[in-house]
Order: sequence, then structure tokens, then C-alpha cells
Amino acid sequence: QITLRESGPTLVTPTQTLTLTCTFSGFSLSTGEESVGWIRQPPGKAPEWLALIYGDDDKRYNPSLRTRLSITKDTSKNQVVLTMTNMDPVDTGTYYCAHKVAATYGPLFDHWGQGTLVTVSS
Amino acid sequence: IVMTQSPATLSVSPGESATLSCRASYSISSNLAWYQQKPGQAPRLLIYGASTRATGVPARFSGSGYATEFTLTISRLQSEDFAVYYCQQHNDWPPRTFGQGTKVEIK
Repeated sequence: QITLRESGPTLVTPTQTLTLTCTFSGFSLSTGEESVGWIRQPPGKAPEWLALIYGDDDKRYNPSLRTRLSITKDTSKNQVVLTMTNMDPVDTGTYYCAHKVAATYGPLFDHWGQGTLVTVSS
Repeated sequence: IVMTQSPATLSVSPGESATLSCRASYSISSNLAWYQQKPGQAPRLLIYGASTRATGVPARFSGSGYATEFTLTISRLQSEDFAVYYCQQHNDWPPRTFGQGTKVEIK
């Protein structure tokens, strides 16, 4: 059974760096077939994928946010960490981590964490 | 790519069927997924590859389409089906992959 859980601050001030941790179980991020992604969703809007990391350490970033994002993994702890720099109030929303369907090319996520609401405000 | 869903809101009575549409601005072959999202919950994968139901998804959910035109049909709507539905292309990795959503509400 695959499960994922996000953790991190609920409130960040503008210009700060956000660091979120995804702790997962039910699979291992040690092979290139497995991957974990981050998706965010502003209140009342559609989700938006942010970044993805494969077990072989290959990474993908949303082109519109690439300069602000970094994704890393700790295979021994079954964790994936996302950092986003220069936070702005428009970055407010629920941040999810999710397991990507193996053996598919595009962003297809079959198991999601419960999400963590991040508010950017001074 | 732009994913356009219609209608924005669909009012349906329990027991009736609902048909949701999704259009891609260029061909994505059959690489289209549908997600269901209820208030306060994460999206749930329903359909991928345009027509393949994810594990545990009831047979009353069916998907069809190819290239740029796709449809999600929900037969015999039950109370737990009232939610927001998003289509998402899983063909490549552009900045935006999700449609804006269709809310299915009780008539």
C-alpha cells in the first residue's frame, strides 16, 4: 500500500524559501522506474505540477518555475524534499506530493498525499 | 498546451448520467487522465490513457476520446460522485497540464 505525507511550514513570509518534505512508504525510490512529484493547487484553482524526481536521480521541473525550484531525495529515509525560493503571496495554496505511475512518460499521478496548506503572508 | 474543460458547472439529478468534455489545444494521442476532487481532499485518479479505469474505480465511470477531444461519462450518478473533475494530459511536460475543472453539482 502506497502512502505519502507532506510536512513543512504552514506560513511563510514573502521572499523566504519554502522547504517541504514528503515521506512515503509502499515503494522504494531506488530504481529509475519509480518517481515522486510535487503538485500545488491555489485555492479554487486547478492543480499545477512543480517538480519530479526519479529513483535514478533524474529530475524534471516546471519550466515556468524552474529557476525557483529544487528537488532532492533521501532514499534511505524514503523522503523527497522540495525547496522553492523567493516565495510570494501568489504561491499560497495546497502543496501535494504524489507517486507517479511507473512506465509512463508524462505527469500521471496515482497516489497523492493529503496535502499541506502553505500561506505566504507578512 | 491548453486543456479546456466544459461545462464549468454541470447540474445533474442523482441517478442520471453526466457527460464532461475536455479539449486539448494539440494532439496528445490517448494520453489523457481524469481526476475527481472533493472538498478538502487530494485529487483521485479515475481514468488514464483516455479510457483505462484506475484501480478500484467503479465501472459507472468511463472515458473516451483521442487526439484533442475527450469525454468522461458518469452513469447513474450517486451522491458520492458530486465533486470537481479535472482532465490532465500526460503526454509531455509543459507548464500547464490540467484543465480548469468541471463541477458536478446536485440539481
